[in-house]
Amino acid sequence: DQQVKQNSPSLSVQEGRISILNCDYTNSMFDYFLWYKKYPAEGPTFLISISSIKDKNEDGRFTVFLNKSAKHLSLHIVPSQPGDSAVYFCAAAEGYSGAGSYQLTFGKGTKLSVIP
Amino acid sequence: NAGVTQTPKFRILKIGQSMTLQCTQDMNHNYMYWYRQDPGMGLKLIYYSVGAGITDKGEVPNGYNVSRSTTEDFPLRLELAAPSQTSVYFCASSYSRWAGVANEQFFGPGTRLTVL
Repeated sequence: DQQVKQNSPSLSVQEGRISILNCDYTNSMFDYFLWYKKYPAEGPTFLISISSIKDKNEDGRFTVFLNKSAKHLSLHIVPSQPGDSAVYFCAAAEGYSGAGSYQLTFGKGTKLSVIP
Repeated sequence: NAGVTQTPKFRILKIGQSMTLQCTQDMNHNYMYWYRQDPGMGLKLIYYSVGAGITDKGEVPNGYNVSRSTTEDFPLRLELAAPSQTSVYFCASSYSRWAGVANEQFFGPGTRLTVL
């Protein structure tokens, strides 16, 4: 049973436009969410995160939005650049507000291609 | 800082063989993790360690063993390799168990293992 779902395996966007990557989750105990970016033959690298006490977190060209009632989060990249072409993983964890958690539950990833 | 390093990068095993995947981090992180990523899937936690001498199972521990004799090293042992263990293996580390701000997991570049 997938607790973190990224329903779009791939996404193509023109350079300069907005990229929107979506993620849904089913476990209501998740209260911290992260996005990781992965290039081929490399390990994932942390991109941006958000806790459940917020509905938006921004870092430069990257913004993550969280809709707790819908159990949905999205990553916006504006403007998209060819170097953003990678696989993006959504991950979730329990316990940010309490005892803390070591376990990240990952989605399957979305491959973003930014076309010059 | 080298971050998280993994060896080997690639390995082909025959069914029934054994091997050890090496992982070293130089960030003095207490927490270390082993994940596997199957094609088209997200990362799944195999084992984790909260400090030297302490390890515990993750979501998919069967067929693997780990040890943590030092803070820096966290080797993953495969005994009696099976085709189902064909995957890319990622080692990661973090400062603490909190999935919070500035405490993301740092990943190594991965080991691609094929069992034939």
